[in-house]
Amino acid sequence: AQKVTQAQTEISVVEKEDVTLDCVYETRDTTYYLFWYKQPPSGELVFLIRRNSFDEQNEISGRYSWNFQKSTSSFNFTITASQVVDSAVYFCALSEANSNYQLIWGAGTKLIIKP
Amino acid sequence: EAQVTQNPRYLITVTGKKLTVTCSQNMNHEYMSWYRQDPGLGLRQIYYSMNVEVTDKGDVPEGYKVSRKEKRNFPLILESPSPNQTSLYFCASSYKGYTEAFFGQGTRLTVV
Repeated sequence: AQKVTQAQTEISVVEKEDVTLDCVYETRDTTYYLFWYKQPPSGELVFLIRRNSFDEQNEISGRYSWNFQKSTSSFNFTITASQVVDSAVYFCALSEANSNYQLIWGAGTKLIIKP
Repeated sequence: EAQVTQNPRYLITVTGKKLTVTCSQNMNHEYMSWYRQDPGLGLRQIYYSMNVEVTDKGDVPEGYKVSRKEKRNFPLILESPSPNQTSLYFCASSYKGYTEAFFGQGTRLTVV
């Protein structure tokens, strides 16, 4: 069973539009962590955010915001006023205490921002 | 500069010829991992290590070996590579398993 689902394989928007990337996870652990990573066309993996299961506060960092909802097992990522430089593959990942904190990754969402 | 260094970046090899991909980190991190990335599958963990001399299988360990004799190094060994191991490989380190992971630049391996 897929533990981290990113249902959107590819999203294409025009610059300045807002876009939300969905992430749904599955766990029976009470202690777990959720992450978002970005992989730009150059290929490196860049950490964006980490959230633990005890902290449901949403977070905003500039144009980026994250909505963590335990009730729906979702950890969605919104980019406001998207820019061409936001074009990348975005991965959501889950780390569970009972699995030695192994990172389990979603398949990724390719985001294309058109000028 | 804090970093994870993988070598080589690109490698083309033939089936059955043993190879090692090196990974070194300079952040004194306890936790290190190897992943492979294939189109449409995201990253899949091959092996991980929670500390020196402690290694464990990830989701796709078949055909791979690792060792963790020193904290900074975590080499990935393919004893007898096969074409289905053609992939993009990433090494990562983190202070603990649940903290931010730092990734190497990746090794693109082609087995012919």
